[in-house]
Amino acid sequence: LAKTTQPISMDSYEGQEVNITCSHNNIATNDYITWYQQFPSQGPRFIIQGYKTKVTNEVASLFIPADRKSSTLSLPRVSLSDTAVYYCLVGLTMDSNYQLIWGAGTKLIIKP
Amino acid sequence: NAGVTQTPKFQVLKTGQSMTLQCAQDMNHNSMYWYRQDPGMGLRLIYYSASEGTTDKGEVPNGYNVSRLNKREFSLRLESAAPSQTSVYFCASRAGLAVSSYNEQFFGPGTRLTVL
Repeated sequence: LAKTTQPISMDSYEGQEVNITCSHNNIATNDYITWYQQFPSQGPRFIIQGYKTKVTNEVASLFIPADRKSSTLSLPRVSLSDTAVYYCLVGLTMDSNYQLIWGAGTKLIIKP
Repeated sequence: NAGVTQTPKFQVLKTGQSMTLQCAQDMNHNSMYWYRQDPGMGLRLIYYSASEGTTDKGEVPNGYNVSRLNKREFSLRLESAAPSQTSVYFCASRAGLAVSSYNEQFFGPGTRLTVL
């Protein structure tokens, strides 16, 4: 039973917009959806968080449909330094228990 | 302001040995977390502490124990290390209470543990 699902990897080019989607069928009612970025040999770093509709900050946008069963991280005009692994994090209700679950990560490679 | 610090950075153990991973944060955060990250995989929550004096199991607690020594420090102990515990261990802290994904988690640099 998949808890959260992300594409394993994606490629893009500098200056393009990149969209990474995470599916989370059992998201807890009041929980947020959070995205993190991780570079090799470092801990994850917070990018953006949202509950519903759209959230935008200086580095990314997060789109969440009304049913909240998925979310899409949008990175505008990517650069080589955006090459990293991106994780979604949600709280899921599993067998009536709340669990904090990370996606397996999407390895994003940006090419010149 | 050092953020979240972890010691040691690297460790090699033999099967059956014990050790304690140390974590400290200087941001006056309430919640602290221990995760493991296996190669090519996401993070899995081992234990968390919503506040000083409380600890709860996460997704993969077997083989581990934790201590929330005070508000700053949260340690992870392996009583009898096994090769399956070879992993990178991350400590994180968050300002809010409880285990929720709400609010940003701040991560330490990780401890790379190999069990032979």
